[in-house]
Amino acid sequence: DGGITQSPKYLFRKEGQNVTLSCEQNLNHDAMYWYRQDPGQGLRLIYYSQIVNDFQKGDIAEGYSVSREKKESFPLTVTSAQKNPTAFYLCASRASGRGDYSNQPQHFGDGTRLSIL
Amino acid sequence: GDSVTQMEGPVTLSEEAFLTINCTYTATGYPSLFWYVQYPGEGLQLLLKATKADDKGSNKGFEATYRKETTSFHLEKGSVQVSDSAVYFCALSDRGTGGFKTIFGAGTRLFVKA
Repeated sequence: DGGITQSPKYLFRKEGQNVTLSCEQNLNHDAMYWYRQDPGQGLRLIYYSQIVNDFQKGDIAEGYSVSREKKESFPLTVTSAQKNPTAFYLCASRASGRGDYSNQPQHFGDGTRLSIL
Repeated sequence: GDSVTQMEGPVTLSEEAFLTINCTYTATGYPSLFWYVQYPGEGLQLLLKATKADDKGSNKGFEATYRKETTSFHLEKGSVQVSDSAVYFCALSDRGTGGFKTIFGAGTRLFVKA
């Protein structure tokens, strides 16, 4: 079955360390997204990518970086500049292209929970 | 800009009670509207959607009608079960902003007691 795979499920970061969260999709979707979710809160957009080799900052991009070298993959790096990284991170993808794809839903992975050691 | 406002939770109901979770939106274009559900420790799953005015989305006993005149998309279920306990997110995607972003509400947590 097609879907989105996030790994690892749990991740621990030491002070001053960069960590990378993996997101892979086999849905053949052009658009991919990273969100941060804090306890009891909604989703905040970190970065999004509409197509391979292109990505844009979302609402809270500071302290994070991404790459989009392959259509299937959109890894997120949480850098040491992110001072409060403890959160639940969600990756999503969506069908897109020329024309109106706004009626297409986003498909989510099961998330990565990042904590500080 | 576009926004979504949904009722604050938590909402606590007894099994077989009627559920309403209110959602209103503002949008500059012609949005599609969605309800997503998130179970503990998981990602969001699409529950239902509606893409134009007066459309009704439905799934697993849940329903929501796209009301352009009141800019609302309230979620309803006639008889909730314990297994419906989750967080529910209302969302919109607006062609007027390129359709690439989805705007999510803050989420409403539902607890259903046996």
